[in-house]
Amino acid sequence: DTEVTQTPKHLVMGMTNKKSLKCEQHMGHRAMYWYKQKAKKPPELMFVYSYEKLSINESVPSRFSPECPNSSLLNLHLHALQPEDSALYLCASTQGAGTEAFFGQGTRLTVV
Amino acid sequence: KQEVTQIPAALSVPEGENLVLNCSFTDSAIYNLQWFRQDPGKGLTSLLLIQSSQREQTSGRLNASLDKSSGRSTLYIAASQPGDSATYLCAVEWRSQGNLIFGKGTKLSVKP
Repeated sequence: DTEVTQTPKHLVMGMTNKKSLKCEQHMGHRAMYWYKQKAKKPPELMFVYSYEKLSINESVPSRFSPECPNSSLLNLHLHALQPEDSALYLCASTQGAGTEAFFGQGTRLTVV
Repeated sequence: KQEVTQIPAALSVPEGENLVLNCSFTDSAIYNLQWFRQDPGKGLTSLLLIQSSQREQTSGRLNASLDKSSGRSTLYIAASQPGDSATYLCAVEWRSQGNLIFGKGTKLSVKP
């Protein structure tokens, strides 16, 4: 099983809402990632968790709050987002540095 | 600064043609290079992973090469089909980074 599952597939939220994105993998991978992809642009790294600890935060605004409850699960909590945060949010996992990355199908987020 | 560049940005070919997509990167101290396919609005599908010690990898009609010393990789697609139409992304993991840096992609259109 080389699947990374993201839910929901689509999300529309208002600027005062609180919502969460969920990512799950059962490949025994120890590193999990959140990327943001705007239309017609490449994915850009937001956060990296390694062994359930936050190892990289690419200066992401605090309205995005990641959480890694266990080695299989990664959440991204959203609060007070702006319309410019509308994008495709991708989750990925790897066994660690230098290994193959597997991506989920993404969550298409629209902030209204 | 570590960067990944892909040319061309877009490519249109008739069905059945063999084609080459190009990727170049700064700094040869890489862990690996990975080629992905992305369909519109979807996540990333891993096509081929080339470790820094390897020169090429093959999967079906796809062949990826790596010349680390010159900072170049190519993705060769044989006998292209309309179903190959997608955006192809090249991504590099540098030893100093611990995550993938993406090129802007090549949008491929294969006409029947």
